[in-house]
Amino acid sequence: KAGVTQTPRYLIKTRGQQVTLSCSPISGHRSVSWYQQTPGQGLQFLFEYFSETQRNKGNFPGRFSGRQFSNSRSEMNVSTLELGDSALYLCASSLEAGGDEQYFGPGTRLTVT
Amino acid sequence: AQSVSQHNHHVILSEAASLELGCNYSYGGTVNLFWYVQYPGQHLQLLLKYFSGDPLVKGIKGFEAEFIKSKFSFNLRKPSVQWSDTAEYFCAVTPSGAGSYQLTFGKGTKLSVIP
Repeated sequence: KAGVTQTPRYLIKTRGQQVTLSCSPISGHRSVSWYQQTPGQGLQFLFEYFSETQRNKGNFPGRFSGRQFSNSRSEMNVSTLELGDSALYLCASSLEAGGDEQYFGPGTRLTVT
Repeated sequence: AQSVSQHNHHVILSEAASLELGCNYSYGGTVNLFWYVQYPGQHLQLLLKYFSGDPLVKGIKGFEAEFIKSKFSFNLRKPSVQWSDTAEYFCAVTPSGAGSYQLTFGKGTKLSVIP
């Protein structure tokens, strides 16, 4: 069974631009969560989607948004990029919302210059 | 809101030494607890988890962890480490029965095992 896939793996953007990251969960998984990983703040929860609905949201500004499609694939968008948005963005999937365990993808490394 | 504290930022051990990584959490209700590992260049993998039942849980690669409710702790142990255990280890917690996932992670402990 294929794992969680994330595209692109690496991305360089300029301040003020916007970016969209994509995540394909493990087949059959219906819940997708997003996390931001930085050296200073560590791993922080962004949001969780289940059945195309946002179930939970972390403490991030409204510039961070996401959505989930009917096939459970998810995208997250960051508008008006800031230097501090440079991070590894991780996607994780699980069978159900609040399910047994989450499986993480390799992440998308976003660099904002 | 919950929080997680990992006591050691960087631990250096020789092969065959015993390992114990500390993890304490803060939350007023029942929690599910996890230890994840991130090997160099690889993505996060689940080592073990505790939801309920026996507070001593065994995970992959010889790791185990003990949940001590009175101390709000979930320490990770391994009797004899190997060079291949060199990685970063993350403790995480989520409220149980919430019907939604919001893992709160500790800042991580980097383990370096010297051959």
